[in-house]
Amino acid sequence: GENVEQHPSTLSVQEGDSAVIKCTYSDSASNYFPWYKQELGKRPQLIIDIRSNVGEKKDQRIAVTLNKTAKHFSLHITETQPEDSAVYFCAPGAGSYQLTFGKGTKLSVIP
Amino acid sequence: NAGVTQTPKFRILKIGQSMTLQCTQDMNHNYMYWYRQDPGMGLKLIYYSVGAGITDKGEVPNGYNVSRSTTEDFPLRLELAAPSQTSVYFCASQEGNAFFGQGTRLTVV
Repeated sequence: GENVEQHPSTLSVQEGDSAVIKCTYSDSASNYFPWYKQELGKRPQLIIDIRSNVGEKKDQRIAVTLNKTAKHFSLHITETQPEDSAVYFCAPGAGSYQLTFGKGTKLSVIP
Repeated sequence: NAGVTQTPKFRILKIGQSMTLQCTQDMNHNYMYWYRQDPGMGLKLIYYSVGAGITDKGEVPNGYNVSRSTTEDFPLRLELAAPSQTSVYFCASQEGNAFFGQGTRLTVV
């Protein structure tokens, strides 16, 4: 099965700084690479995803980059705000089904 | 369009009791999942289904059972509840992106 690792497990940044979270995976068949955000006490929600035919995707302050050769993809958040504080999960999958979730990264944005 | 609906939101069970967590989706998705999330941890897959009548075990299936008689419904059954099953349970449906229910916080005492 897929082996997924996220780094770092916790991350504290000053408001306005950038944050980067990295996800490594083992299954070369993976071709769907989403990131989910889970606020305290709430359900995980998709914030951005990328497919294996694309190297980078941006949506306002967030971006995902993919290195399929090295089997890792990263979440980039620029100009961080307090509402970005949450736990972020990567969840690579093959055919966009049977996602395997990483253990999560707790991001704290300090005002 | 309600998305994925889970009931109940909270439940306290005594050791040895049984219960069913309900999950319904109205997006006509074939793929549905049950995850558990322990405090401060990630999501672990319990069971999943690729369509009505088809279910399969995930990473942590012991102590649970599921059924999928319709596309919409994917209930999770706990038989003989144990303290180790204290967790937050999430149901999800997926066609590409995964949509999660609001979760069920279960405590076994």
